[in-house]
Amino acid sequence: EVQLVESGGGLVQPGGSLRLSCAASGFTFSSYAMTWVRQAPGKGLEWVSAISSSGGNTYYTDSVKGRFTISRDNSKNMLSLQMNSLRAEDTAVYYCAKGSSSSGWYYFDSWGQGTLVTVSS
Amino acid sequence: DIQMTQSPSTLSASVGDRVTITCRASQTISNWLAWYQQKPGKAPKLLIYKASSLESGVPSRFSGSGSGTEFTLTISSLQPDDFATYYCQQYNSYLYTFGQGTKLEIK
Repeated sequence: EVQLVESGGGLVQPGGSLRLSCAASGFTFSSYAMTWVRQAPGKGLEWVSAISSSGGNTYYTDSVKGRFTISRDNSKNMLSLQMNSLRAEDTAVYYCAKGSSSSGWYYFDSWGQGTLVTVSS
Repeated sequence: DIQMTQSPSTLSASVGDRVTITCRASQTISNWLAWYQQKPGKAPKLLIYKASSLESGVPSRFSGSGSGTEFTLTISSLQPDDFATYYCQQYNSYLYTFGQGTKLEIK
């Protein structure tokens, strides 16, 4: 059974940094692309970032480009999202999700339970 | 970026009803479309991929259709467990985008 467990969320001041992690199990982590999707309180889903199975290709939505960095450690089955220069509008529940393939275009077939990031002074 | 527009935003229906949710893409996406169900406080769950393929374990009352720019999700006979918010998502480009969601409420 696929399991994705996010951690690292919390309260941070505007301009601060936070690193989210997602521990994966139940599948061959190194064979699948991974992604982060966020959901602001009471709002819809917003795709944030994606990374290919090897880590060689990364993608970001425009609003986080240059501030967020996605990475993965296939030896530890771990996905990460380093978030810098955080803004109030980054406040959301952040979900990690498994891609349906190793690269290219894919849907998200398994999701973690999410971790809440609150950016506020 | 490809914009995804769902309609309606809210849908009131009764157990046993047949309901349809529409998703329109701002440009053609072939059949690279997925549907997700989300309940309050929970993660989204994949229902349909490639516009009409049912994810394993999802009840057969859920079905998807469409290609190009117009897609539909149909629930043939609503069950109490189906009242939730539904999202479409295109994966025709690396800039993945979701529709704004359709909240399915009990009438």
